[in-house]
Amino acid sequence: AQSVSQHNHHVILSEAASLELGCNYSYGGTVNLFWYVQYPGQHLQLLLKYFSGDPLVKGIKGFEAEFIKSKFSFNLRKPSVQWSDTAEYFCAVKNNNAGNMLTFGGGTRLMVKP
Amino acid sequence: KAGVTQTPRYLIKTRGQQVTLSCSPISGHRSVSWYQQTPGQGLQFLFEYFSETQRNKGNFPGRFSGRQFSNSRSEMNVSTLELGDSALYLCASSSEGLYEQYFGPGTRLTVT
Repeated sequence: AQSVSQHNHHVILSEAASLELGCNYSYGGTVNLFWYVQYPGQHLQLLLKYFSGDPLVKGIKGFEAEFIKSKFSFNLRKPSVQWSDTAEYFCAVKNNNAGNMLTFGGGTRLMVKP
Repeated sequence: KAGVTQTPRYLIKTRGQQVTLSCSPISGHRSVSWYQQTPGQGLQFLFEYFSETQRNKGNFPGRFSGRQFSNSRSEMNVSTLELGDSALYLCASSSEGLYEQYFGPGTRLTVT
């Protein structure tokens, strides 16, 4: 069975600091990779996705992620965070043999101090 | 386009009762997936329906079931509720071709 690990459960940053959230997955086949964000009181929203091609993908609100196949990783980055980025971030993996089933990591709570 | 809608948004039930949750996908989306979100277990996949057929099922007991109607609306049912079923139940829809999923606001179920 596939699994997803997010190494940081809680992250606290000051505004303008750089962000990198780790995500590793275990599955040997072809995968699609996603980062979702859940702002306080809101529903899950897609930040970015990787299906194929350029392993560096750009998403909304200045976020980007890099797929490194050899490391089974899909880390999320943002050069300069804002207070409004305070949220919970989830990495998710979908393998092409299991329909639309997403396997989620445990989530990372990010707090950005103004 | 309107987003994924879920009803009701909040629900309080007693142990042993059953509950039915409803999800209306984005117009044109034929795949509907359900997830359970709890503080302890995080987000876990329940099942996926596509064209009225269950396509995938997660590792949940048979008390959890679902169905999809011809208009792609979906319902999930939990019978014989247990305290541990208290959770946020999320529905997600996607279009044909296995594109990304769009999530609804969820139904917060509390079992007392």
